[in-house]
Amino acid sequence: AQTVTQSQPEMSVQEAETVTLSCTYDTSESNYYLFWYKQPPSRQMILVIRQEAYKQQNATENRFSVNFQKAAKSFSLKISDSQLGDTAMYFCAFGNRLSQGAQKLVFGQGTRLTINP
Amino acid sequence: GAGVSQSPSNKVTEKGKDVELRCDPISGHTALYWYRQSLGQGLEFLIYFQGNSAPDKSGLPSDRFSAERTGGSVSTLTIQRTQQEDSAVYLCASTPPGELFFGEGSRLTVL
Repeated sequence: AQTVTQSQPEMSVQEAETVTLSCTYDTSESNYYLFWYKQPPSRQMILVIRQEAYKQQNATENRFSVNFQKAAKSFSLKISDSQLGDTAMYFCAFGNRLSQGAQKLVFGQGTRLTINP
Repeated sequence: GAGVSQSPSNKVTEKGKDVELRCDPISGHTALYWYRQSLGQGLEFLIYFQGNSAPDKSGLPSDRFSAERTGGSVSTLTIQRTQQEDSAVYLCASTPPGELFFGEGSRLTVL
């Protein structure tokens, strides 16, 4: 079974700083997806960024980028120029391919990120 | 609406009562998931529906939990004889291939 580990329960940085959230996972599969989801106090889970395992290039999405190390099974999220609105729980998730391309996700325990003014 | 809709948003019940939680997925999404999020924890997979296939119930924690999806759209998660450890946020998600779209969850509190 796949497992996802986020070793940082909480992090706190000043506005405009760069912060990196770590995530490791364990799987025997070679074709899979990795995700970072953000959950603000509203409880709505929001997709931040997605990485396909067969792609070597690290995914980027504006101020968000990942460092995907497939051999090490590591998938960290870097937030540049952090903003107050980035304050949230961040979940790393692993998705394997199911029939018809749907995803069954396994989530880490989450990292609570606070951006201070 | 454009997103995944869940009701009720909050539910307080007494131990031993049955509860039903509802999920309206995004129109056209064939797959639907239920996850449970206990306080300060990550998301725990409960059950997954995909089209007309038999659901994947491997995450349901006990036989007090059941779910159905009628007409390939709306889903109901039922918890019978609720226990205090059932208190959590229950999140529903629907998906085309590649991404899960989540609702805002139903917070269940069992007194």
